[in-house]
Amino acid sequence: DTAVSQTPKYLVTQMGNDKSIKCEQNLGHDTMYWYKQDSKKFLKIMFSYNNKELIINETVPNRFSPKSPDKAHLNLHINSLELGDSAVYFCASSPRVAGELFFGEGSRLTVL
Amino acid sequence: QKEVEQNSGPLSVPEGAIASLNCTYSDRVSQSFFWYRQYSGKSPELIMSIYSNGDKEDGRFTAQLNKASQYVSLLIRDSQPSDSATYLCAVTYAGGTSYGKLTFGQGTILTVHP
Repeated sequence: DTAVSQTPKYLVTQMGNDKSIKCEQNLGHDTMYWYKQDSKKFLKIMFSYNNKELIINETVPNRFSPKSPDKAHLNLHINSLELGDSAVYFCASSPRVAGELFFGEGSRLTVL
Repeated sequence: QKEVEQNSGPLSVPEGAIASLNCTYSDRVSQSFFWYRQYSGKSPELIMSIYSNGDKEDGRFTAQLNKASQYVSLLIRDSQPSDSATYLCAVTYAGGTSYGKLTFGQGTILTVHP
């Protein structure tokens, strides 16, 4: 069983479209994250939820909206996609706030 | 802005040698320090964590922390070709709006050649 799973693994879409990425963890962790890794491999935090509550909300365009229906799930919805949104998006979970992260396999988003 | 700096490399070492990876951070109010390994096309995985000054050893890996110099390093002894990957340094900060946030460096590419 995969500990942190993301779907889909690949998305190719046109500018202006809306897309969602889903994440689920079966580790029983309280904290979940979305990270963005750009083409230069720089990994930057976007959002973090602790037990369904938003605790970190970085300077991210409001076209990005996270949602956590329960502590095992964290989804990311992106409106009006732009070329610069092309990246790999990683979901992660942690047994405590920050610290030791367990990453999902990543979702590679390509905006044409 | 709190920063974590690494030399992006690539760092190339022969098989069996010691690979030394370095990282500096900008904020003295830093709490915890981590090294992640990321193989090409894969997700990062945690390999070491260190919380206090000094050395911490785990198998072939040794993490070293010097808070006075704001410096953390990772030594890989008896390097193997399977160690070839990008190594990411990460730091958490203790207070303010950065509380609990894990900030990554840009990563160092390590190549171990036979």
